[in-house]
Amino acid sequence: DTAVSQTPKYLVTQMGNDKSIKCEQNLGHDTMYWYKQDSKKFLKIMFSYNNKELIINETVPNRFSPKSPDKAHLNLHINSLELGDSAVYFCASSQAVLEPNTGELFFGEGSRLTVL
Amino acid sequence: GQNIDQPTEMTATEGAIVQINCTYQTSGFNGLFWYQQHAGEAPTFLSYNVLDGLEEKGRFSSFLSRSKGYSYLLLKELQMKDSASYLCAVCDSNYQLIWGAGTKLIIKP
Repeated sequence: DTAVSQTPKYLVTQMGNDKSIKCEQNLGHDTMYWYKQDSKKFLKIMFSYNNKELIINETVPNRFSPKSPDKAHLNLHINSLELGDSAVYFCASSQAVLEPNTGELFFGEGSRLTVL
Repeated sequence: GQNIDQPTEMTATEGAIVQINCTYQTSGFNGLFWYQQHAGEAPTFLSYNVLDGLEEKGRFSSFLSRSKGYSYLLLKELQMKDSASYLCAVCDSNYQLIWGAGTKLIIKP
């Protein structure tokens, strides 16, 4: 069984379009994340949700909106796509973010977004 | 600002040993992680250090010196499948992960 699954794996679209990426985890984790990995391979956190509540909202454009219908799902909606949004977007989950645990992250396979 | 530095690329020979270094400057410290990422795949967890010293896990070991802001990942008996990027990440005082850009390791026969 896939622990963290995200769809679609590949997404090619035109500038100005709106798109969504879905993520689901079956690990029973409390915290889910969205990361962006650009061409330079830096992983940058975008959002983090703990039990359906946003706890980190890094300085990403408000064109990006996360939605968490329940703690097993964290979807990412992007409005008015721009060329600079092209990247690989990773969903991840962890047991907890504030406990002194290993904080191990379990990543989805990534969604490669290409904006033309 | 917060910063994680690691070499961009390293090359090693199958069967040999390689050490990948990571230095960090962060606001607080709540542990250091190493992740492995094969091309086109997701990062996967390798190790976690929060106390000074060496943590050994099979062919992989990770070392931490908090006073020096320094860690290394040691890979022994290198195999071709170890060709990947190795990401260093530090958990800061807010329990946020700060990521390095990764070290691309190329293994040659």
